[in-house]
Amino acid sequence: AQKITQTQPGMFVQEKEAVTLDCTYDTSDPSYGLFWYKQPSSGEMIFLIYQGSYDQQNATEGRYSLNFQKARKSANLVISASQLGDSAMYFCAMSFNNDYKLSFGAGTTVTVRA
Amino acid sequence: ETGVTQTPRHLVMGMTNKKSLKCEQHLGHNAMYWYKQSAKKPLELMFVYSLEERVENNSVPSRFSPECPNSSHLFLHLHTLQPEDSALYLCASSQVPPAGNGYTFGSGTRLTVV
Repeated sequence: AQKITQTQPGMFVQEKEAVTLDCTYDTSDPSYGLFWYKQPSSGEMIFLIYQGSYDQQNATEGRYSLNFQKARKSANLVISASQLGDSAMYFCAMSFNNDYKLSFGAGTTVTVRA
Repeated sequence: ETGVTQTPRHLVMGMTNKKSLKCEQHLGHNAMYWYKQSAKKPLELMFVYSLEERVENNSVPSRFSPECPNSSHLFLHLHTLQPEDSALYLCASSQVPPAGNGYTFGSGTRLTVV
């Protein structure tokens, strides 16, 4: 069975600093996709970044980058130059070939301090 | 504007009421999903529709009844709910299988059962 683990329930970060959110996963399937979503207090789930298991380079999208370490089965999200608007819940998620489901971790709450 | 619209945004209903949640997408996606998000719990997949056919039902109680009349619309009919059903209900859509940006989520319906 596949499993996604986010070990940090909550984190505080100073404005303009970088923060790393941990995500580890467990699967024997060689083909999968890893996703990060942001959920502000409004409830909407906002897609941030995607990494395919066969991608050679780490994914980046603006201030978001994914530190993908396949052998360690980790896909940590790095948010650089944190802004107050980054305060939200962040979810790591995973999908597999020919499967509709997107499985989510428990989430990490990030609070950015001015 | 996320591309996936959910109505209503908030709903308070008694245990004997019947209500429906609505989800609409015009992204050309051919799969739609209902997720339940309770406090301090990971997102739970409830139903999956692919090409208007239900392909997954994760042991959801019969008091929740989904309907997918076409590829753009998804409903969740509610009747005789329990207080523990109070949660954020998120609708999502995707290609089949999910492409590099996974799902597109709506803003959710925050349901309170009294």
